[in-house]
Amino acid sequence: DAGVIQSPRHEVTEMGQEVTLRCKPISGHNSLFWYRQTMMRGLELLIYFNNNVPIDDSGMPEDRFSAKMPNASFSTLKIQPSEPRDSAVYFCASNMVEGGNEQFFGPGTRLTVL
Amino acid sequence: GENVEQHPSTLSVQEGDSAVIKCTYSDSASNYFPWYKQELGKRPQLIIDIRSNVGEKKDQRIAVTLNKTAKHFSLHITETQPEDSAVYFCAASIGGATNKLIFGTGTLLAVQP
Repeated sequence: DAGVIQSPRHEVTEMGQEVTLRCKPISGHNSLFWYRQTMMRGLELLIYFNNNVPIDDSGMPEDRFSAKMPNASFSTLKIQPSEPRDSAVYFCASNMVEGGNEQFFGPGTRLTVL
Repeated sequence: GENVEQHPSTLSVQEGDSAVIKCTYSDSASNYFPWYKQELGKRPQLIIDIRSNVGEKKDQRIAVTLNKTAKHFSLHITETQPEDSAVYFCAASIGGATNKLIFGTGTLLAVQP
């Protein structure tokens, strides 16, 4: 089992540019989560999907952020336009939709917006 | 809104001592309480979890206790070792049957050899 796969692992971009982060959940998992981690705000849930359907996007900070899950094996988190305050580590996690199960985290994408 | 408070934010212990990290939660419907360990530059990984129908759970040197009445849960690490040094996060499920977790702010544990 390869675990949750995220790409890229590191991204450095300039303010105003579009950034797309990618995630492949563990095969067979039907829930997918996007988190953002910063020193100031800790680990924040941005959005999560059950069976490819967005369930709760209340953590998405602004309209500049959008997420999609076109199929069970792929999700994207897009920031357009990016700003320096978006700099953070973005984690994707997956598990089975039944509540109370371990969430498996990917290695994260470290985003730096200059 | 729902929140999870975690204390202390930093904890330094001598190798072999015990470490205790405490969390409180606000949602009375929370029924799942995992603990994650995150080493520097790595992903969070589950180390132990407890459900609301259990008051205590132990796995070797790690134990978690839950007091649903007081909405408290705690992580206990005994016989600490330098490799226990990391950031530890508690979390609580939101709502009775949702898959959503709210995380605490983390505790940086340093085990001095």
